[in-house]
Amino acid sequence: DAGVTQSPTHLIKTRGQQVTLRCSPKSGHDTVSWYQQALGQGPQFIFQYYEEEERQRGNFPDRFSGHQFPNYSSELNVNALLLGDSALYLCASSLGPAGRYEQYFGPGTRLTVT
Amino acid sequence: AQSVSQHNHHVILSEAASLELGCNYSYGGTVNLFWYVQYPGQHLQLLLKYFSGDPLVKGIKGFEAEFIKSKFSFNLRKPSVQWSDTAEYFCAVNSGNNDMRFGAGTRLTVKP
Repeated sequence: DAGVTQSPTHLIKTRGQQVTLRCSPKSGHDTVSWYQQALGQGPQFIFQYYEEEERQRGNFPDRFSGHQFPNYSSELNVNALLLGDSALYLCASSLGPAGRYEQYFGPGTRLTVT
Repeated sequence: AQSVSQHNHHVILSEAASLELGCNYSYGGTVNLFWYVQYPGQHLQLLLKYFSGDPLVKGIKGFEAEFIKSKFSFNLRKPSVQWSDTAEYFCAVNSGNNDMRFGAGTRLTVKP
């Protein structure tokens, strides 16, 4: 049973570019949440997707957008990259809303913006 | 705004010492509370969680946490740590709106 998988593992982009990160949830999970983890900090909630809709959003600008597909996989898109977007991006999946169900985390995508 | 504070940035203990990691949150309503652990080179994984009921919660690997509502705290404890407990520990709070807030984490180093 595969856990949460994310791709790519590492990514280097230039300021102003756009990036797409991908996540496949654990088998049987229908809810995907995305987090940004800066160095030395805890994960910060970006948004959560359930039934292909964004259900909850953290304090992130509109440059951060997402999508959930019918197979529950998800994408995180970031436009107009800034140096401050450099971080580890974590995907977590759960059976339902993140607050009531255990979240399983993926290994993350390390994004470096130069 | 809802926030989570972990007061210890880095804790260093010898094996067999007792552990207590502090976690305080700033939300007055009903909350769900979690402790996650990240071992070196591994993913974040759930140690224990509290939703309701007995405020003393037992998790994996001998860890436990106590919810004290009056103090807005959810401290993590272990009576006797092992070298293998070396990891980063994160407290997280959810107020029921699916917005999980994590603390900054506490790095635990256990010396053999």
